[in-house]
Amino acid sequence: NAGVTQTPKFQVLKTGQSMTLQCAQDMNHNSMYWYRQDPGMGLRLIYYSASEGTTDKGEVPNGYNVSRLNKREFSLRLESAAPSQTSVYFCASGLAGDYEQYFGPGTRLTVT
Amino acid sequence: GQQVMQIPQYQHVQEGEDFTTYCNSSTTLSNIQWYKQRPGGHPVFLIQLVKSGEVKKQKRLTFQFGEAKKNSSLHITATQTTDVGTYFCAGPLFGNEKLTFGTGTRLTIIP
Repeated sequence: NAGVTQTPKFQVLKTGQSMTLQCAQDMNHNSMYWYRQDPGMGLRLIYYSASEGTTDKGEVPNGYNVSRLNKREFSLRLESAAPSQTSVYFCASGLAGDYEQYFGPGTRLTVT
Repeated sequence: GQQVMQIPQYQHVQEGEDFTTYCNSSTTLSNIQWYKQRPGGHPVFLIQLVKSGEVKKQKRLTFQFGEAKKNSSLHITATQTTDVGTYFCAGPLFGNEKLTFGTGTRLTIIP
């Protein structure tokens, strides 16, 4: 089992460029999540998907969109990157919302 | 607003000393979870506490859930260099579809 995988590991974007962060899990989990982590800010939820076919906003959704492509995959899209979106992005999955979550290795994104 | 707070934000200890981090929620939680994130790594689930007053141990780590289910603590006895990292608590603050993570306590060890 690979667990939760994320691509890419690192990315540098110019302001205004777009990109999609990919996430996949092979644990047959229903729930998937996207977080961003900034120094001193802990983990902040961007979007989540409680089950295949549903998505909901988290704490900091502005500037992002998501797609729950199927039960395994949950992608995060930045339509027009801004320097404030420089962060480390983690994808996570879990059986259900209040169960333990399993995190991917993260994507380190820099927007210049 | 509703939130999960952790104290202290940073802790530096000599190797062999004990360490404790505290987690406080503004509302009652159905459960509390603890995660560890090594420097440069991703958060890894440690444990979940569900019952009021519950205490669980994992080797040198002791986890407690408060009687009112609004606070929790993680205590490490005789710290080792492998304990370095940031410890997060998390709970379902807003319904059971998602977790709210605390701000984390970063532990560094002085050899």
